[in-house]
Amino acid sequence: DARVTQTPRHKVTEMGQEVTMRCQPILGHNTVFWYRQTMMQGLELLAYFRNRAPLDDSGMPKDRFSAEMPDATLATLKIQPSEPRDSAVYFCASVSAEAGNSYEQYFGPGTRLTVT
Amino acid sequence: QKEVEQNSGPLSVPEGAIASLNCTYSDRGSQSFFWYRQYSGKSPELIMFIYSNGDKEDGRFTAQLNKASQYVSLLIRDSQPSDSATYLCAVNTGGFKTIFGAGTRLFVKA
Repeated sequence: DARVTQTPRHKVTEMGQEVTMRCQPILGHNTVFWYRQTMMQGLELLAYFRNRAPLDDSGMPKDRFSAEMPDATLATLKIQPSEPRDSAVYFCASVSAEAGNSYEQYFGPGTRLTVT
Repeated sequence: QKEVEQNSGPLSVPEGAIASLNCTYSDRGSQSFFWYRQYSGKSPELIMFIYSNGDKEDGRFTAQLNKASQYVSLLIRDSQPSDSATYLCAVNTGGFKTIFGAGTRLFVKA
């Protein structure tokens, strides 16, 4: 059963702490996206990678957020230091290398982050 | 002006009726259009995609695209209570960048 996995599913942390979220894309998918979803802003694109290289991270606050893809099976999103306004659900999504022009994205279950 | 606009709803329809969800987009160069369904507390799930003007049908779902009017819609026939969810319209604006609308909440009353 091919699906995107994310860990942790839930994270509660105090302001100022470092948070690391992990994503394993579907095997064979070479494009990975990070999104943040809040009630106020909806689903916002933070960054995305193709073949492990960052293509666009313009949606990400650079001073505290960083995204990497150390290998084809792992993408990470790090927040340091975390702030209460970072509280949201963070989704990872992936696209097949064979997608051509379809760009259909498959989402992971998300990490629900609460910063107190 | 937002790049992808949807009526936030809620849209309420009786069971068995047709639910019509609408979306407009601002980038005329957009080529690919998607509808995702998101149940409360869950992740978005792709249900339809369309690239060409006209209609595309898949079971009870029909996606309609009018590029001249920059308009995409999703029709759900024979609506069921299990269709109650938020429906997100998404538009690929070039390369791999996809912009999502804020979503329309649909309630199907039994």
